[in-house]
Amino acid sequence: AQTVTRSQPEMSVQEAETVTLSCTYDTSESNYYLFWYKQPPSRQMILVIRQEAYKQQNATENRFSVNFQKAAKSFSLKISDSQLGDTAMYFCAFTSYNNNDMRFGAGTRLTVKP
Amino acid sequence: EAGVAQSPRYKIIEKRQSVAFWCNPISGHATLYWYQQILGQGPKLLIQFQNNGVVDDSQLPKDRFSAERLKGVDSTLKIQPAKLEDSAVYLCASSLRAGGGYNEQFFGPGTRLTVL
Repeated sequence: AQTVTRSQPEMSVQEAETVTLSCTYDTSESNYYLFWYKQPPSRQMILVIRQEAYKQQNATENRFSVNFQKAAKSFSLKISDSQLGDTAMYFCAFTSYNNNDMRFGAGTRLTVKP
Repeated sequence: EAGVAQSPRYKIIEKRQSVAFWCNPISGHATLYWYQQILGQGPKLLIQFQNNGVVDDSQLPKDRFSAERLKGVDSTLKIQPAKLEDSAVYLCASSLRAGGGYNEQFFGPGTRLTVL
């Protein structure tokens, strides 16, 4: 069975600085997808970034990038130039390559301070 | 493009009562998911539909939870009777197709259920 574990329950960062959220996972599969979702107080889950396990290159989306270490089964999210609107819960998630049964970790609460 | 719609946004009921949640996915999305998110935890998949058929309901507590998607579009999730531990946010999501993570899931705003 696949499991996803977030490393830090809470983090804070000053506006404009960089922060890294960490996640580990466990699977016996060789091909799969990893995700970081953002959930603001409005509760709507928003996809931040997605990584395909068979791709060597780390995914990047504007200020968001990942550090994917397949052998270590770790998947961290780096947020550069943090903005107040980045304040939210962040969830790491996993799906198999051919199955959309998404498994979420417990979430990290990120606060960006002015 | 309209997003995933859910109603109601909030619901408060007494234990042993019944409750139903409604979800309308993004137009054209064949796959619909219901998740339960207990406070402080990540969402947990309850049931997945492909059109009007069930793909996965292995984590649905079938003694009290039921869900349907009769015409392959909108869906209803019901709890009968509710227990205190059912207090959670119920999220609906949809994707264009089933299959792997390349089919992005789009989430609705959720329904917050409080069972007293």
